[in-house]
Amino acid sequence: DTEVTQTPKHLVMGMTNKKSLKCEQHMGHRAMYWYKQKAKKPPELMFVYSYEKLSINESVPSRFSPECPNSSLLNLHLHALQPEDSALYLCASSQQRFRGEQFFGPGTRLTVL
Amino acid sequence: GQNIDQPTEMTATEGAIVQINCTYQTSGFNGLFWYQQHAGEAPTFLSYNVLDGLEEKGRFSSFLSRSKGYSYLLLKELQMKDSASYLCATTDSWGKLQFGAGTQVVVTP
Repeated sequence: DTEVTQTPKHLVMGMTNKKSLKCEQHMGHRAMYWYKQKAKKPPELMFVYSYEKLSINESVPSRFSPECPNSSLLNLHLHALQPEDSALYLCASSQQRFRGEQFFGPGTRLTVL
Repeated sequence: GQNIDQPTEMTATEGAIVQINCTYQTSGFNGLFWYQQHAGEAPTFLSYNVLDGLEEKGRFSSFLSRSKGYSYLLLKELQMKDSASYLCATTDSWGKLQFGAGTQVVVTP
């Protein structure tokens, strides 16, 4: 299995909603990542987990809350988002934080109304 | 920090060769990646260079010169499906992947 899966594919939410994005990989990778990508821009790193511990937080607002329940799963909890948070949210994983290519999931297209 | 430059757009005809250049300035270089991204889809891994030289993989090759802070991705025998954005990305000693703005390659018949 060389795949990173993400659910849901599309999500529309209001500014008062609470929702979660999910990411899963079964490649035995010990590093997992969340990226945000706006249209016609490159992905921007949000969070890095290494061995289920948060190792990098790129000064992301607290309305985004990551969680790594186990080595295969990565969640991103969303609360009180703003319309400018609408974007494609990509999950990725790699063998280790320091090496190896990152495999990306298909992304969740988020729209905040 | 990291500063990565690549051309915004390149156009080439089917069957031709295109070379996408990437220059970078980075603190703590730990490798250079090339990714392909079709519109609305996730990036897919193409190549990884950590040592100087050329890596060939089918129709795609990637070159790295660490002393010059320079890489290129060579696409040979272009096909229509190669129309996509090509992202150059470096990793630093923390494992952070920093992407360039991407080069949109347009393949014409």
